[in-house]
Amino acid sequence: GQQVMQIPQYQHVQEGEDFTTYCNSSTTLSNIQWYKQRPGGHPVFLIQLVKSGEVKKQKRLTFQFGEAKKNSSLHITATQTTDVGTYFCVPPDSGSARQLTFGSGTQLTVLP
Amino acid sequence: DGGITQSPKYLFRKEGQNVTLSCEQNLNHDAMYWYRQDPGQGLRLIYYSQIVNDFQKGDIAEGYSVSREKKESFPLTVTSAQKNPTAFYLCASSRGGVAGANVLTFGAGSRLTVL
Repeated sequence: GQQVMQIPQYQHVQEGEDFTTYCNSSTTLSNIQWYKQRPGGHPVFLIQLVKSGEVKKQKRLTFQFGEAKKNSSLHITATQTTDVGTYFCVPPDSGSARQLTFGSGTQLTVLP
Repeated sequence: DGGITQSPKYLFRKEGQNVTLSCEQNLNHDAMYWYRQDPGQGLRLIYYSQIVNDFQKGDIAEGYSVSREKKESFPLTVTSAQKNPTAFYLCASSRGGVAGANVLTFGAGSRLTVL
């Protein structure tokens, strides 16, 4: 799969604060997916972004895909303890192998 | 409800023993995948299958084997050749088709500990 850099690797926030994680690619992506994994759980698909400059919202979560389709971000407004987990941005594969590459993600801790 | 069932949820194994992890899906998905996750790490692809009776190695296939005799089933065997098998194993499936359009549905995982 294609390589993206996701930052930060870890983030601790106070409940009610906002949180943002960023993914950056050196190459243009056809799309990007976001997944969330709760502690001890399995990854769950959140959203897929396809269009240049796309912005999608899911309640307090806002997902963006850059104009050049080389970066993406996930912003959470007013975090809650239920937001705890690891967030992965996942680019599509670039070769013939149809696989998705999960990096280390951003591990979010929300302090009550 | 459609989904992916992995079993067992927890498994303990002695060194030198092979163990098989089960993965069954009723989503009618063509593609199935096995990932390994170590503490604090991302997911690494072990094997994947796009169609019945066909599968390909992922990034860390050494010490593992799979079969895909039925569309619904994709068992993973962790062999004694796997040097450090203690990990969380995740099975996933997707509808398949065009690369990049695969949204993964994951099972709850199997946590393997080698004693």
